[in-house]
Amino acid sequence: AQSVSQHNHHVILSEAASLELGCNYSYGGTVNLFWYVQYPGQHLQLLLKYFSGDPLVKGIKGFEAEFIKSKFSFNLRKPSVQWSDTAEYFCAVTRGSGGYQKVTFGIGTKLQVIP
Amino acid sequence: GAGVSQTPSNKVTEKGKYVELRCDPISGHTALYWYRQSLGQGPEFLIYFQGTGAADDSGLPNDRFFAVRPEGSVSTLKIQRTERGDSAVYLCASSLVTGETQYFGPGTRLLVL
Repeated sequence: AQSVSQHNHHVILSEAASLELGCNYSYGGTVNLFWYVQYPGQHLQLLLKYFSGDPLVKGIKGFEAEFIKSKFSFNLRKPSVQWSDTAEYFCAVTRGSGGYQKVTFGIGTKLQVIP
Repeated sequence: GAGVSQTPSNKVTEKGKYVELRCDPISGHTALYWYRQSLGQGPEFLIYFQGTGAADDSGLPNDRFFAVRPEGSVSTLKIQRTERGDSAVYLCASSLVTGETQYFGPGTRLLVL
């Protein structure tokens, strides 16, 4: 069974600091990778996704993530965080063989940005 | 509607009671998913519908949980004989076609006393 590990469960940063949230998955085959974000009081929203092609993926609001197949990782990055980035971030993975595949989510990382 | 909607937004019930949670997916989305999110955890898959049929119900924890999607649009998650351990946020998501990006609703927060 596939699994997703998010190592940082709670991160506190000051505004303008750089962000990197770790995500590792256990499945050895082709994968599709996602980062979802949940702002306070709002529902889960897709931040970015990787299906194939360029392993450096650009998402909304200045976020990016890099797929490193050899490390089974899909870390989320942002060069300079804002207070409005305070939210919970979830990494997710499906097997990439096409058609329906069950989505497995990580436990989530709560990011708190201090003004 | 513009997004996935779920009703009720909150449900408080007593142990042993029956509850129904409703999901209205984005119009035209053929795939529908139910997840459960317990406190401090990520969403956990429960069941997936393609059209009217449950294509994968391997995530349902036991036979107290059942879901339907009779007309291929709205879905209802049904929980019989609720237990305190069923307390969680129940999330619904839909996608245009199977395998594509899932769009999530706001969830129903269920509290079993």
